[in-house]
Amino acid sequence: DTAVSQTPKYLVTQMGNDKSIKCEQNLGHDTMYWYKQDSKKFLKIMFSYNNKELIINETVPNRFSPKSPDKAHLNLHINSLELGDSAVYFCASSQGRWAGGTTDTQYFGPGTRLTVL
Amino acid sequence: AQSVTQLGSHVSVSEGALVLLRCNYSSSVPPYLFWYVQYPNQGLQLLLKYTSAATLVKGINGFEAEFKKSETSFHLTKPSAHMSDAAEYFCAVRKRENEKLTFGTGTRLTIIP
Repeated sequence: DTAVSQTPKYLVTQMGNDKSIKCEQNLGHDTMYWYKQDSKKFLKIMFSYNNKELIINETVPNRFSPKSPDKAHLNLHINSLELGDSAVYFCASSQGRWAGGTTDTQYFGPGTRLTVL
Repeated sequence: AQSVTQLGSHVSVSEGALVLLRCNYSSSVPPYLFWYVQYPNQGLQLLLKYTSAATLVKGINGFEAEFKKSETSFHLTKPSAHMSDAAEYFCAVRKRENEKLTFGTGTRLTIIP
C-alpha cells in the first residue's frame, strides 16, 4: 500500500487555467505538507496542516489554496496558472506537528510534475 | 533563521569508493539534522537524522553521518559506493522548537562504473 499518494503524477496545462493536485495519506498522521521543488531541485515548504488546521503558510501567492477536507487529505488548488508555477510538487505527512522529534519522520509522496505552457 | 549549505551540487565517485557529501548548518542552538535521498522520479526518503542522542548516526543503505558541533557540520558518508546510490541527496535542518524543515539545495551523486 502506498503511504502517501498524489494524483495526478503529471499535469500539463495552459497559462491561466485552474488546476488541483490531490494528496492522500493512509498512515494515520496528523500533519500534512505541500512542498515545491523547482528546476534546480531546490525544495521549499509551502503549506502545512495539522488536523485540518493551517499551521504553516509560507510566502506563497494567494493563487495557491490548500484544502484539507479531513486529516488524511490535503489538496492543492492553483488558480490562474503561470509559467513560473512549473515545478514538481510534493506532498508529505508526519505524525507530529513539526516532524522533527526523536521518533517523528516526514513521509513524502512521489510528486506531481506540473508543466505550464 | 536556520539554514543548511551543501557544498558541491554534483559529486562523482567510482563504484566501491568512499562517498562523502558535505553539509554545514547555521543555527544558534544545536538543531535537528536530517539527510534525505531522492531517487529519479521519486519522492524523498529519510536516510537518517540527528536528534542529539548520539553524534554518529547510522542510516539506511549503509550511510552514516557525524554531527560535529565545532565544525557545524553533518557530513554524510558511505564507505563503499554502489551503483544504486546514484541519486539526489538533501540535507535539512530544524530547530528544536516548533519550526519547519529547511532543506539544502541538494547534491547529485553520480557513481562511475
